[in-house]
Amino acid sequence: EAGVVQSPRYKIIEKKQPVAFWCNPISGHNTLYWYLQNLGQGPELLIRYENEEAVDDSQLPKDRFSAERLKGVDSTLKIQPAELGDSAVYLCASSLRDSPGELFFGEGSRLTVL
Amino acid sequence: DQQVKQNSPSLSVQEGRISILNCDYTNSMFDYFLWYKKYPAEGPTFLISISSIKDKNEDGRFTVFLNKSAKHLSLHIVPSQPGDSAVYFCAAVTSNTGKLIFGQGTTLQVKP
Repeated sequence: EAGVVQSPRYKIIEKKQPVAFWCNPISGHNTLYWYLQNLGQGPELLIRYENEEAVDDSQLPKDRFSAERLKGVDSTLKIQPAELGDSAVYLCASSLRDSPGELFFGEGSRLTVL
Repeated sequence: DQQVKQNSPSLSVQEGRISILNCDYTNSMFDYFLWYKKYPAEGPTFLISISSIKDKNEDGRFTVFLNKSAKHLSLHIVPSQPGDSAVYFCAAVTSNTGKLIFGQGTTLQVKP
């Protein structure tokens, strides 16, 4: 069974440029998460989807970040414009609703903003 | 407000000995607690969990202990192996909200 797939693995951009990350969750997993991980810190939730619905986006900086999960499968996270402080690893995860806290993570997308 | 705290950034143990990783939490509404393991350049992987109605859960070399009165949990790895060297994250969730909160992580080094 394929795991959570993310792309790109690495991205280097200039500040003020846009960037987008893509995630394909495990087949059948109805819950999808985007987490942000800064160096030396634990993952922090940006947004959580139940199927197509964003059920928790309270930590998403909506002035520059946006996300979508069309058709309840793949998801895209976008940053526009990127700032220096956005340099981090963006992790996508998916889970089944009946397994509290048991998330399956992708390898992450490492963003460097210059 | 850090609801889940891992106060030890790093831990070094000898191969074959016990590794004990600690975690404290503040939110009494958490009802599941989990440990994740992370290797460099990989995403975290689920290791073991415990429900708040239990005080111990064991899976092979890994045992998680929960002390609700102290709002403290720990992960014991016995015996420790070099392949256990990784960053370990403690996490907690309230099942009716589904929001998983992570600690800062503890880097474990197991020396051969």
